Formats: sequence, structure tokens, C-alpha cells
Amino acid sequence: GDSVTQTEGPVTLSEGTSLTVNCSYETKQYPTLFWYVQYPGEGPQLLFKVPKANEKGSNRGFEATYNKEATSFHLQKASVQESDSAVYYCALSQNNYAQGLTFGLGTRVSVFP
Amino acid sequence: GPKVLQIPSHQIIDMGQMVTLNCDPVSNHLYFYWYKQILGQQMEFLVNFYNGKVMEKSKLFKDQFSVERPDGSYFTLKIQPTALEDSAVYFCASSLEGSGNTLYFGEGSRLIVV
Repeated sequence: GDSVTQTEGPVTLSEGTSLTVNCSYETKQYPTLFWYVQYPGEGPQLLFKVPKANEKGSNRGFEATYNKEATSFHLQKASVQESDSAVYYCALSQNNYAQGLTFGLGTRVSVFP
Repeated sequence: GPKVLQIPSHQIIDMGQMVTLNCDPVSNHLYFYWYKQILGQQMEFLVNFYNGKVMEKSKLFKDQFSVERPDGSYFTLKIQPTALEDSAVYFCASSLEGSGNTLYFGEGSRLIVV
């Protein structure tokens, strides 16, 4: 079956520093890749998604490139803010049937001023 | 953005009793999902539902679980009877299409079975 592996948290950073959360996936199909973010007391919300290999997605200063050869989708942000403190989930969804999302374990990111 | 509403936000229930978790999905969405998240652990897929039928379910979707959406009202997850290991946050999600589409999640229903 499909699986997603991401950086084990927690990740603690100071404001203004850079963030990388690694994500790798295993699948025999051709997925769409997602990054979701979950704030305390809320459900996951889409950060961005990339349906095609070798394309990049971005939102709110975060970005990730769908690397099919390396089966990776690492999340990066050049300069984090305290408001970026959340749990970040890498996920995939198959493009040929409706099973929904397969999530990674999630990475808790804490940014301190 | 689109909102998915879940009721109740939290519930404490005695082991063996029945519980129904309600979800009001995004109005024009056609696919509905339940996920389970035990505190500090991964979001895990339970089931998805389309056109009045279960399409896929995981091993976590035990025989004691059932889902329905009668007459376009709430999409519900019923657990009967509940067990201690059912304690978790249950997230409902909906999407316009099935494959590769964005899921919109509710804020979750925290269930505590005692």
C-alpha cells in the first residue's frame, strides 16, 4: 500500500530562520502530493498541492517540489514566523480512485520569537 | 474557504454505549470521509462515502462502525457499541471529486470512552 514518511518532530526554530521538513513517499501509482497544516484545536487545512511530477507548489512562503525520481516532496520556508507554529502533514492521493488521503505522521514545528 | 462543521466538538461516553458523530460537509461536495486521530499520532483513514454508499474502508473501520447520509442531511459516523480504544478525535472531510482532489476538514469531534 501507499506510505508517507516525514521528518520526525518536534522541530524548534527561532523566527527568521529557515525550515525544511522532509517528506518521502512510496506508491506504485501516480499520486497528487499535498502539504496540510493543522493548528491547535483545528482540522488540517490545505497548504498547497502539486498534481504533477517536477512541478512546484507554494503558498504563504512555503514551497515544495514534486520529485518523482527521488520520491520526495520536501517542504521549505526561507524565514519562519511565530504564526507558522503548527503540525505539518505530507500526504498523497491517488489519481485514479477515491481513497482520500494517505498522511505522514506529521511534524510539529514550534517557532519562538 | 469552504467549511465543514462537526457536532459535537467533544463527547464523553460510557464503554458499550452508542455514539453518533455528525458532519455537515461543504454544500456542493460529493465525497465524504472520516479519519481517526489518536492524541499525538497520525491521521488515519477510516472510510469514504459517495452516492449513498461506502466506497473504501480501512481495517480500522470495525464492524461496530457505520456511516450514512440520509436524505442529504448530516453525514454521520455511528459507533455501537463503543470500546475504550475508540477514544480519539474523529475528523470529517469532504471533497468535490474523488481522485486527487482537495479534502476540506472539520475541526474534529473528540470522543472519550470511559
